[in-house]
Amino acid sequence: GNSVTQMEGPVTLSEEAFLTINCTYTATGYPSLFWYVQYPGEGLQLLLKATKADDKGSNKGFEATYRKETTSFHLEKGSVQVSDSAVYFCALLKAAGNKLTFGGGTRVLVKP
Amino acid sequence: DAGVIQSPRHEVTEMGQEVTLRCKPISGHNSLFWYRQTMMRGLELLIYFNNNVPIDDSGMPEDRFSAKMPNASFSTLKIQPSEPRDSAVYFCASSLVSGSSYEQYFGPGTRLTVT
Repeated sequence: GNSVTQMEGPVTLSEEAFLTINCTYTATGYPSLFWYVQYPGEGLQLLLKATKADDKGSNKGFEATYRKETTSFHLEKGSVQVSDSAVYFCALLKAAGNKLTFGGGTRVLVKP
Repeated sequence: DAGVIQSPRHEVTEMGQEVTLRCKPISGHNSLFWYRQTMMRGLELLIYFNNNVPIDDSGMPEDRFSAKMPNASFSTLKIQPSEPRDSAVYFCASSLVSGSSYEQYFGPGTRLTVT
């Protein structure tokens, strides 16, 4: 079956540090890949997505590249801010379906 | 543009009571999802609907849980009777399944506490 594995948190960083959150997936066919972000007390929001191999999704300074050869979709940001403190979820949507499979989430805490 | 609306935002109830959670999806969306989030189990899909029809309810924990979608603009998730282990944040999400667009939009959630 489909599955998503992401690094466990919490990840604690200082402001302006570089952030990487690893995400790998298992799926048949060619899924679409997503990163969602959940700020404290809120629902999940789509951060970025990629629908085919080698696509790069980007938003708010975050980037992730769909790597089919390594079945990965790692999230990166070059310089984090305190406001980036949140839980980040990697997810996949298999082709011809609309049911997302989520990873376990990674909590990120950015300190001033 | 209103997003997904959920009510109530917080619910505190006693064990054995019936609980009804409500969701209004984004207008025009044709799929609706109910999720549960807990520290122990993370984010779990309970059930989803396409065009108001339940497609996959394999995530519903047990017969105490039921969900309905009487029309395209309203859905309920009911727990009867409620138990302390049902305490969680319940999210509703909706999406427009069209071509390659499947982005799900989440509501703010209902925090349920069963004492």
